[in-house]
Amino acid sequence: GAGVSQTPSNKVTEKGKYVELRCDPISGHTALYWYRQSLGQGPEFLIYFQGTGAADDSGLPNDRFFAVRPEGSVSTLKIQRTERGDSAVYLCASSLSGGGGETQYFGPGTRLLVL
Amino acid sequence: KNEVEQSPQNLTAQEGEFITINCSYSVGISALHWLQQHPGGGIVSLFMLSSGKKKHGRLIATINIQEKHSSLHITASHPRDSAVYICAVLRAGSYQLTFGKGTKLSVIP
Repeated sequence: GAGVSQTPSNKVTEKGKYVELRCDPISGHTALYWYRQSLGQGPEFLIYFQGTGAADDSGLPNDRFFAVRPEGSVSTLKIQRTERGDSAVYLCASSLSGGGGETQYFGPGTRLLVL
Repeated sequence: KNEVEQSPQNLTAQEGEFITINCSYSVGISALHWLQQHPGGGIVSLFMLSSGKKKHGRLIATINIQEKHSSLHITASHPRDSAVYICAVLRAGSYQLTFGKGTKLSVIP
């Protein structure tokens, strides 16, 4: 596709369950970013990938959160033992070469609800 | 205090009005982004600035690095401009964007 895609668009899960959120960046973009947006707030940085490696994962809130990008394209954000406070919209963005000083293209987000 | 502050939080305007949204930040930056978020969550990048002024159609963005302040202006506002406008800064030496909470704009016909 032409833009960044994310699946699923909505995910409802129960407290304590494991979830995986997928991001498909724009083809050829080496930089990929994950953000989390709580209701009424601006997005918060979670992790930045340059190619296959996590160049900056300082925004991950705790060790229940993990993200991979094994082939340098699709990325998966994994959340273990979900908590109600994890409920948010998880946004993915990609950019051509990274470094932050270039336009980021955002996906539509995955709305996660933990019951 | 948040590192990125936007004002106003909410703004209602009549169609055709000139609109200004402000963003102040407290850290050294290498770039500032203005983003638009429509209901349903989709975010679109409007501008990326490191100095001066940029214009695209009816949108104008300015930045004053010394004063750590940026403004987004919309001329001849239209109901389709209704959205949340978010300011985000790229900290100097970092890959992280730090976002403001956004300004919710409603343009009434």
